[in-house]
Amino acid sequence: KAGVTQTPRYLIKTRGQQVTLSCSPISGHRSVSWYQQTPGQGLQFLFEYFSETQRNKGNFPGRFSGRQFSNSRSEMNVSTLELGDSALYLCASSPERGTEAFFGQGTRLTVV
Amino acid sequence: DQQVKQNSPSLSVQEGRISILNCDYTNSMFDYFLWYKKYPAEGPTFLISISSIKDKNEDGRFTVFLNKSAKHLSLHIVPSQPGDSAVYFCAANDFGNEKLTFGTGTRLTIIP
Repeated sequence: KAGVTQTPRYLIKTRGQQVTLSCSPISGHRSVSWYQQTPGQGLQFLFEYFSETQRNKGNFPGRFSGRQFSNSRSEMNVSTLELGDSALYLCASSPERGTEAFFGQGTRLTVV
Repeated sequence: DQQVKQNSPSLSVQEGRISILNCDYTNSMFDYFLWYKKYPAEGPTFLISISSIKDKNEDGRFTVFLNKSAKHLSLHIVPSQPGDSAVYFCAANDFGNEKLTFGTGTRLTIIP
């Protein structure tokens, strides 16, 4: 069974630009969550989608948004990029609520 | 406010000995706890979990202990192997909520 796949693995963007990151969950998993990892803040929850609906949202500004498609694939978008958005963005999928989340390898975003 | 805390940023253990990683939490609503292992530039890998109805869960060399009254959990690795060198994160959520709250991580180094 293929794991969680995130694309691209690495990305360099300029301040003010926008970026879209993609996540394909493990087959059969309907819940997809996104996390941001930075050296200063650790792993922080961004949002979670289940059956194309956002169920939970973390404490991030509205520049961070996401969506989930009918095949459970998910995208995350960050608009008006800031230098502080440089981080490892991780996607995780779960088969159902209350079970362990399996993470992808992440997308390393660098904003210059 | 850091609801999940790992107070030891680093830990060094001799190969073959026991590694004990600790985690404390403050939110009494948490009822499901997980440990993840992470290598640089990769996503976290799920190790073991425990629900609040149990006080111990074992999987091979890994055992997680939960002390609900103390709001404390620990991960024991016996025997420790060089491949165990990584950053270990504990995480928690309340059942039905896919938002994982992570600790800040403990870097475990196994000394040959």
